Amino acid sequence: EDQVTQSPEALRLQEGESSSLNCSYTVSGLRGLFWYRQDPGKGPEFLFTLYSAGEEKEKERLKATLTKKESFLHITAPKPEDSATYLCAVQARDTGRRALTFGSGTRLQVQP
Amino acid sequence: EPEVTQTPSHQVTQMGQEVILRCVPISNHLYFYWYRQILGQKVEFLVSFYNNEISEKSEIFDDQFSVERPDGSNFTLKIRSTKLEDSAMYFCASSGASGETQYFGPGTRLLVL
Repeated sequence: EDQVTQSPEALRLQEGESSSLNCSYTVSGLRGLFWYRQDPGKGPEFLFTLYSAGEEKEKERLKATLTKKESFLHITAPKPEDSATYLCAVQARDTGRRALTFGSGTRLQVQP
Repeated sequence: EPEVTQTPSHQVTQMGQEVILRCVPISNHLYFYWYRQILGQKVEFLVSFYNNEISEKSEIFDDQFSVERPDGSNFTLKIRSTKLEDSAMYFCASSGASGETQYFGPGTRLLVL
């Protein structure tokens, strides 16, 4: 059974204070690992897809990295508008499978 | 930028009633999905739909649930006889030919009384 564990559950940062969010996963062959941002009462907003260990993707203040067992979302010099829940999800490589298995998310609060 | 849309944004229903949640996926996408998120819990997969048939479903997606693509643009989720525990946010998603990156709609908040 595919599993995704995210830590910490919640993180409070001061504006400009960089940090990393962790996503540990177990999957029967990884097709892709996905990061989403979710604001309260809204749908997940796509951020990154990572396919293989060693891959990195960047967008503004966010950088996602992938190893064979975990992924990190690095937030550099965050701003209050980065406050949201960040979700990690995995998709298995099995033929015909497209379902995403999500973690519980990390709730990030960035204070001015 | 193309986006997934969902209607209604909120729905309140009585236990035992049927509800239909509607979605318009991104126009050139081929895979369609429904997920749900009970308040305070993880996003959970319900079903995927490809080439006019269900390609994958979870244990949650029992006989009370059905999906349909009634025309070239809409994708619907029907719950035949709602239960209190069906109260959740329901998200529609779609993905392109590779079926990988999924783009989510804003959700329908369903409350069953």
